[in-house]
Amino acid sequence: AQKVTQAQTEISVVEKEDVTLDCVYETRDTTYYLFWYKQPPSGELVFLIRRNSFDEQNEISGRYSWNFQKSTSSFNFTITASQVVDSAVYFCALREETSGSRLTFGEGTQLTVNP
Amino acid sequence: GAGVSQSPSNKVTEKGKDVELRCDPISGHTALYWYRQSLGQGLEFLIYFQGNSAPDKSGLPSDRFSAERTGGSVSTLTIQRTQQEDSAVYLCASSSGWVDTQYFGPGTRLTVL
Repeated sequence: AQKVTQAQTEISVVEKEDVTLDCVYETRDTTYYLFWYKQPPSGELVFLIRRNSFDEQNEISGRYSWNFQKSTSSFNFTITASQVVDSAVYFCALREETSGSRLTFGEGTQLTVNP
Repeated sequence: GAGVSQSPSNKVTEKGKDVELRCDPISGHTALYWYRQSLGQGLEFLIYFQGNSAPDKSGLPSDRFSAERTGGSVSTLTIQRTQQEDSAVYLCASSSGWVDTQYFGPGTRLTVL
């Protein structure tokens, strides 16, 4: 069963638009961690944020914000006033307490920001 | 400080040959992970090392794959008798502890002809 679903395969926006990347997860664990990583064309996965299951407080970091809702098992990521440099593949990942340290990744969303 | 480094960045080999991929974790990180990224399978976990504990090998796809970590630092992923389906980007990550955030290296792109 797919544990992390990123339904949006590709998104294309024009610079300065806001864009939300969706992530839905599935787990039976009560303790788990959610992550977002960015993979620019260079290929390296860049850590963006980590959230544990007991902390539903939303977070804002500059133009980035994250909305964690346990009721809908979602951990969505919004980029405000997008820029060309935001173009990348974005991955949502889940680490379950009962699965050791492995990360389970979604399929990724390719975001293209056009000038 | 320096991040996770991997070598080589690219490797082209012929079917049936053995290859070794190297990972240098962030200094002081006790946990090290290998993942594989391929078009058909996405990003998948391969193996995990934590300190002196026995590694979690549950993600290795076949017995042609093995990995070791020497001195609690550098790790080598070995693929024996490579097959074309082994072509992928192999990513290494490290973390300061098993519960902590994983930081990834740039990957090794393996192409099996």
